[in-house]
Amino acid sequence: GAVVSQHPSRVICKSGTSVKIECRSLDFQATTMFWYRQFPKQSLMLMATSNEGSKATYEQGVEKDKFLINHASLTLSTLTVTSAHPEDSSFYICSAIPQLNTGELFFGEGSRLTVL
Amino acid sequence: GQQVMQIPQYQHVQEGEDFTTYCNSSTTLSNIQWYKQRPGGHPVFLIQLVKSGEVKKQKRLTFQFGEAKKNSSLHITATQTTDVGTYFCAGSSGTYKYIFGTGTRLKVLA
Repeated sequence: GAVVSQHPSRVICKSGTSVKIECRSLDFQATTMFWYRQFPKQSLMLMATSNEGSKATYEQGVEKDKFLINHASLTLSTLTVTSAHPEDSSFYICSAIPQLNTGELFFGEGSRLTVL
Repeated sequence: GQQVMQIPQYQHVQEGEDFTTYCNSSTTLSNIQWYKQRPGGHPVFLIQLVKSGEVKKQKRLTFQFGEAKKNSSLHITATQTTDVGTYFCAGSSGTYKYIFGTGTRLKVLA
């Protein structure tokens, strides 16, 4: 099956700093990737749709200046949490659809962010 | 906006018992997918349902899509300890954007 890789898997940062999370499709090209946030024992909340070569589409209530998304190539999307605060601590997961006809989402391993 | 709810939130069963989780969308769906997330892991695709009233089986798992395409269910027959995890449905209204359900966490007692 298709492989989506996320890095880093865990990151701890100080309040006020910025953190970048990478999402790579290893064996396919992904024009569209999705970023989710998941709090402990809760569901995945869609944050934004990352589109290669264009601006990301953010879901209602998600601050685009807070969560910067860049999809500069067909295999890489990045999520930057700017000026992180403790309430930004969460599990961030990306996904991509290798084959548009099946619609199956392949997820990265996730990145656990802890802001001190 | 679109909401997808699942019940129950938690379910503890004895190994060998059956398990069912129900998924309800506030809007009509184009298709629905089911995922399993093991503790500490990421969601893994199980199946996609597209047609009204569709029923699909994967070994001990039976998936159903409602006639009105607003609800779905996942039934596991004779649960095993390997079935432990959280089961999410995810609905789409016709785009590639999927809204995840609230999830049902299954624990299987040996």
